[in-house]
Amino acid sequence: AQSVTQLGSHVSVSEGALVLLRCNYSSSVPPYLFWYVQYPNQGLQLLLKYTSAATLVKGINGFEAEFKKSETSFHLTKPSAHMSDAAEYFCVISNFGNEKLTFGTGTRLTIIP
Amino acid sequence: NAGVTQTPKFQVLKTGQSMTLQCAQDMNHEYMSWYRQDPGMGLRLIHYSVGAGITDQGEVPNGYNVSRSTTEDFPLRLLSAAPSQTSVYFCASLSPTGSNSNEQFFGPGTRLTVL
Repeated sequence: AQSVTQLGSHVSVSEGALVLLRCNYSSSVPPYLFWYVQYPNQGLQLLLKYTSAATLVKGINGFEAEFKKSETSFHLTKPSAHMSDAAEYFCVISNFGNEKLTFGTGTRLTIIP
Repeated sequence: NAGVTQTPKFQVLKTGQSMTLQCAQDMNHEYMSWYRQDPGMGLRLIHYSVGAGITDQGEVPNGYNVSRSTTEDFPLRLLSAAPSQTSVYFCASLSPTGSNSNEQFFGPGTRLTVL
């Protein structure tokens, strides 16, 4: 069975500081991995996805993530946090056909002015 | 395109009542899914469908029924609501081919409270 583990249910960073949200995965086959963002009282929006092409994946709003097979990690980063980045972030793994997503428990990101 | 739409946005039920959460998409996506979101647990898959007439169970299917008679619609039925079904429900759709393959598109959610 596939799974993802997000380290830290709450992360606070100062505006302008580096954002690092951690995700480790478990999969017996090459995984498809995603980061989704959920703004307060809204649905989910795809930030970026890894589908075995490039290991460094760039997404929307300046976010990027690096797939590291040796560490089974897919951490999300952004060089400089903005107030509008405050949201909940989910690391997600997909089965091969992509019809079933398994979500991490989420990390709530707070930006300190 | 409206994308994925869900109705209602909010609903309050009494224990034992039944209801149907509606989901529709206008992107001609073959795959559709239902997830529930509970605090501290992320989203969990309830049921999914890979095409009209084809449905299957996800991680937490008990207490829910689905059917897929058309490509566009994928309703979720609660047969006898229980307080444990208080949650936010999200519908999603995906096309397994094309430029946006692998990406599930989510609806805005339905917030359900069962008293």
